[in-house]
Amino acid sequence: QSALTQPASVSGSPGQSITISCTGTSSDVGGYNYVSWYQQHPGKAPKLMIYDVSNRPSGVSNRFSGSKSGNTASLTISGLQAEDEADYYCSSYTSTSTLVFGGGAKLTVL
Amino acid sequence: QVQLVESGGGVVQPGRSLRLSCAASGFTFSSYSIHWVRQAPGKGLEWVAVISYDGSSKYYADSVKGRFTISRDNSKNTLYLQMNSLRAEDAAVYYCARDGVQWLANYYFDYWGQGTLVTVSS
Repeated sequence: QSALTQPASVSGSPGQSITISCTGTSSDVGGYNYVSWYQQHPGKAPKLMIYDVSNRPSGVSNRFSGSKSGNTASLTISGLQAEDEADYYCSSYTSTSTLVFGGGAKLTVL
Repeated sequence: QVQLVESGGGVVQPGRSLRLSCAASGFTFSSYSIHWVRQAPGKGLEWVAVISYDGSSKYYADSVKGRFTISRDNSKNTLYLQMNSLRAEDAAVYYCARDGVQWLANYYFDYWGQGTLVTVSS
């Protein structure tokens, strides 16, 4: 199973919005509404930010939102804040009952 | 509160075996599928395996199939990962993570442990 494709890096200024894409295939992202997004700060365990494409867990800021179109999912962060600087990973359930992650995108808040 | 605590990591020679454990507390362990996810130093996340709430279903990444075995003891609230024929590329921090949905497996992780480091080196 090949990794989902994410940009290696994204950046934005405080207050701006950014979008991170996550491209897969019809056997994963395009075939199921089981896309999730995780935030990981250095040396820490990942934190769930979005599940089932667009659902936000309790406690996660509504500045984070998710969507999907075809084989590409997206995470949008609005009103960028310094603490949003982290690595972001997408993941998707696959047709073989496994899970595949994206390669990760490093978000820099300028 | 939900807690997942991994243990069993360490330095192991290529070709040898290691067993990781994940002790769970703060929730009904026997109601949730649990996953192993690993992260090589400086690299991204890689899903390793999942076991259903009752242990009846198990799925593995191609990279570990036939070498790793996931299991659980619901009486001890503990998850295991038996790793055999270890390779240099298996070196990583190994996390256990709870599936976000009771009974089913929706393949998203709402709680993670702190991870345990496995180093494969001669």
